[in-house]
Amino acid sequence: QVQLQESGPGLVKPSQTLSLTCTVSGGSISSGSYYWSWIRQPAGKGLEWIGRIYTSGSTNYNPSLKSRVTISVDTSKNQFSLKLSSVTAADTAVYYCARASLEWLNFDYWGQGTLVTVSS
Amino acid sequence: SYVLTQPPSVSVAPGQTARITCGGNNIGSKSVHWYQQKPGQAPVLVVYDDSDRPSGIPERFSGSNSGNTATLTISRVEAGDEADYYCQVWDSSSDHHVVFGGGTKLTVL
Repeated sequence: QVQLQESGPGLVKPSQTLSLTCTVSGGSISSGSYYWSWIRQPAGKGLEWIGRIYTSGSTNYNPSLKSRVTISVDTSKNQFSLKLSSVTAADTAVYYCARASLEWLNFDYWGQGTLVTVSS
Repeated sequence: SYVLTQPPSVSVAPGQTARITCGGNNIGSKSVHWYQQKPGQAPVLVVYDDSDRPSGIPERFSGSNSGNTATLTISRVEAGDEADYYCQVWDSSSDHHVVFGGGTKLTVL
């Protein structure tokens, strides 16, 4: 059974960089059959896709966040990471990591989510 | 960029059928996926590729997609189906990215 677990600081100051890591267990991130994504959800609001990475390192980002986002992968640790720069209060949200199949581009496994608050 | 439109809320009595729509320009040409999200929990995939169900999802959940509207249908609605539901597509038209609908709150009366 594949499991994803987000980790990182729960509080980030405005203008700083938000950094999160997703650790994958129960399967190899290098399997080649999946994309690995970050998705966020502000309190009481809908889901917003942030971006994805393939094991090769190839990435795609949400155009609205592209200038501030970097997603990377560390296959030796079975992890992928998110960096979001120049954060503001609008970036306060629950951040999820998720796996998407190459075939259907749907999200079949999700982490439990981690709340990141941007505040001084 | 591609936009998916869902009604903010749908209400249905137990045992009845709930239909949640997801509108998008020529969405019938895309593969649509649906997620159920209960309070404080991560979303769960309930329908993928318009009408297929992952293992473990009851047959009461079904989907269809044609023209400009995709629909998630929940038959014989139960109290435990009360949740937010989101549709999702992959937009490959320009800058490749994922699009979610705004979500629909299903209330079981």
